[in-house]
Amino acid sequence: KNQVEQSPQSLIILEGKNCTLQCNYTVSPFSNLRWYKQDTGRGPVSLTIMTFSENTKSNGRYTATLDADTKQSSLHITASQLSDSASYICVVSGVSGGYNKLIFGAGTRLAVHP
Amino acid sequence: NAGVTQTPKFRVLKTGQSMTLLCAQDMNHEYMYWYRQDPGMGLRLIHYSVGEGTTAKGEVPDGYNVSRLKKQNFLLGLESAAPSQTSVYFCASNSGQNSGANVLTFGAGSRLTVL
Repeated sequence: KNQVEQSPQSLIILEGKNCTLQCNYTVSPFSNLRWYKQDTGRGPVSLTIMTFSENTKSNGRYTATLDADTKQSSLHITASQLSDSASYICVVSGVSGGYNKLIFGAGTRLAVHP
Repeated sequence: NAGVTQTPKFRVLKTGQSMTLLCAQDMNHEYMYWYRQDPGMGLRLIHYSVGEGTTAKGEVPDGYNVSRLKKQNFLLGLESAAPSQTSVYFCASNSGQNSGANVLTFGAGSRLTVL
């Protein structure tokens, strides 16, 4: 069964601290993996995409890693800011019936406190 | 550039009532989607469309209907609302299926409560 599991479910950190969010997936065959940021009351916005051959990709203070062998990805946030408070959703794309099917994780809710 | 616009943003219905959620995109995207987001769960695909005049069922289509009469619009209908359809609904669009193009642009969501 295609699944995407994220941990932790929620996280509270102090402003300026780093944190790492985890994503484990069982989607097969694998096409790509995206991390989305969802602010409260808004739709998700793409942060980064990882394909099979990519191990690390950065977008400002966000760094995503992918280990296709262990089917794990992480999102590392450096020097957190209050505006980083949001839900972070891992989305894995797999091919099913010739169609790129997207499997969404339940998200990690991050709260950055001053 | 508005992106994806959903209306209404909030709606309260009584069980058995009907309603339509409207999604409009101005990016000339071919593909459009309707998702629902429930607490503790990932977004689940209700219906999708790969072009004007086409629709297809997603993961949780029961109780919903859709129409794509114009390329820029994708309507989600509830014929007889049930409390289980209380959720936040997101419309999304993208330009295609290849890995580089499948990034989704989401609307801001429509919060529906069925009493």
